[in-house]
Amino acid sequence: DVKVTQSSRYLVKRTGEKVFLECVQDMDHENMFWYRQDPGLGLRLIYFSYDVKMKEKGDIPEGYSVSREKKERFSLILESASTNQTSMYLCASSGQFNPSYEQYFGPGTRLTVT
Amino acid sequence: RKEVEQDPGPFNVPEGATVAFNCTYSNSASQSFFWYRQDCRKEPKLLMSVYSSGNEDGRFTAQLNRASQYISLLIRDSKLSDSATYLCVVIRNTGGFKTIFGAGTRLFVKA
Repeated sequence: DVKVTQSSRYLVKRTGEKVFLECVQDMDHENMFWYRQDPGLGLRLIYFSYDVKMKEKGDIPEGYSVSREKKERFSLILESASTNQTSMYLCASSGQFNPSYEQYFGPGTRLTVT
Repeated sequence: RKEVEQDPGPFNVPEGATVAFNCTYSNSASQSFFWYRQDCRKEPKLLMSVYSSGNEDGRFTAQLNRASQYISLLIRDSKLSDSATYLCVVIRNTGGFKTIFGAGTRLFVKA
């Protein structure tokens, strides 16, 4: 079974703090993704990575950065958290040669910025 | 207008009912289509892929209509355990693959 884990299920941070969200997958997948999910808006892609040290902006990268130093680990960084970044953050991975492009998701981190 | 649109619902149906969801997409370069299921407070999981020829998995049938640019999901003989949010997912390749999620349709199946 593919397993994607995220460092925290719930996180509360103050405005202006630097926030690190970590994601680890155990299936040797090339592709990893960070999404945020908000009611009525669905999942929106923040960043993705198709290889170690490679990253691509998604639809809403502003206010976020990412790091992928190892294949199994993809980190999302909020440089200076703001209240509009309160959301559910979901990490996912997929294998480059998976013809169905199935994405396997982690359990999510519910971040509240006060 | 969103690139992938779904009726948010909620759909409230009794056990045993047949229910259908539609999802429309606007970009004709879209090439792969899926339905994901998301239980309350859980992560999304792949339910099934959608092909032009249609595909069936037990009580679930998915169809793709490229001409009208929509996909559908039919659930027969609904069970209580089918209560979830169903996400339509479209992948297009326009200078690189892009995955677009619909906002989801909520289903409640009641006894």
